[in-house]
Amino acid sequence: DTGVSQDPRHKITKRGQNVTFRCDPISEHNRLYWYRQTLGQGPEFLTYFQNEAQLEKSRLLSNRFSAERPKGSFSTLEIQRTEQGDSAMYLCASSFPGGQGGAFFGQGTRLTVV
Amino acid sequence: QKEVEQNSGPLSVPEGAIASLNCTYSDRVSQSFFWYRQYSGKSPELIMSIYSNGDKEDGRFTAQLNKASQYVSLLIRDSQPSDSATYLCAVTNLTGTASKLTFGTGTRLQVTL
Repeated sequence: DTGVSQDPRHKITKRGQNVTFRCDPISEHNRLYWYRQTLGQGPEFLTYFQNEAQLEKSRLLSNRFSAERPKGSFSTLEIQRTEQGDSAMYLCASSFPGGQGGAFFGQGTRLTVV
Repeated sequence: QKEVEQNSGPLSVPEGAIASLNCTYSDRVSQSFFWYRQYSGKSPELIMSIYSNGDKEDGRFTAQLNKASQYVSLLIRDSQPSDSATYLCAVTNLTGTASKLTFGTGTRLQVTL
């Protein structure tokens, strides 16, 4: 399977715990995006990388969120001290430079904070 | 003003009819435009891209772009029940290194038998 892969698919955590998600992009793509989506809304931009460089981070993003992409391959998104409002689908996507050809999404990680 | 606006719907069309989905965007420097289809509980799937004014056809789908009016649309001909989904419009600009995709909230399409 050469598509975008995300792990885990589902995560249930208690409020206050830290969680980490992983994304493996399409191998030819050097741009990687993280989005968050809640019911009835479009994907909300969180951050994106070109290779290992984090080029933009949403100003709405709490400092409890951090993302890394060491060596420009897979990426991780960590949420510290989770809150119930963090419950959402976390989507990873990858594309060629400049977003050419569009971005392709993984299956997402559904986070539930209880 | 939202960066990308779509009517949330639902848009209901009978099977075999043409479904017309619309999207407006606020950033005049937007250069690339995409339509995604999202089934309930699934992730978005890219179905169309368009970069220049005019029409682009791919099978039953036609994307239309009018940069002067900051308007992009998606037509689905011969609509099928399997087309029932939420359709997301996404735009990006290539200003410098900034090219994040910005999404609308999506239009829910219902194709009725």
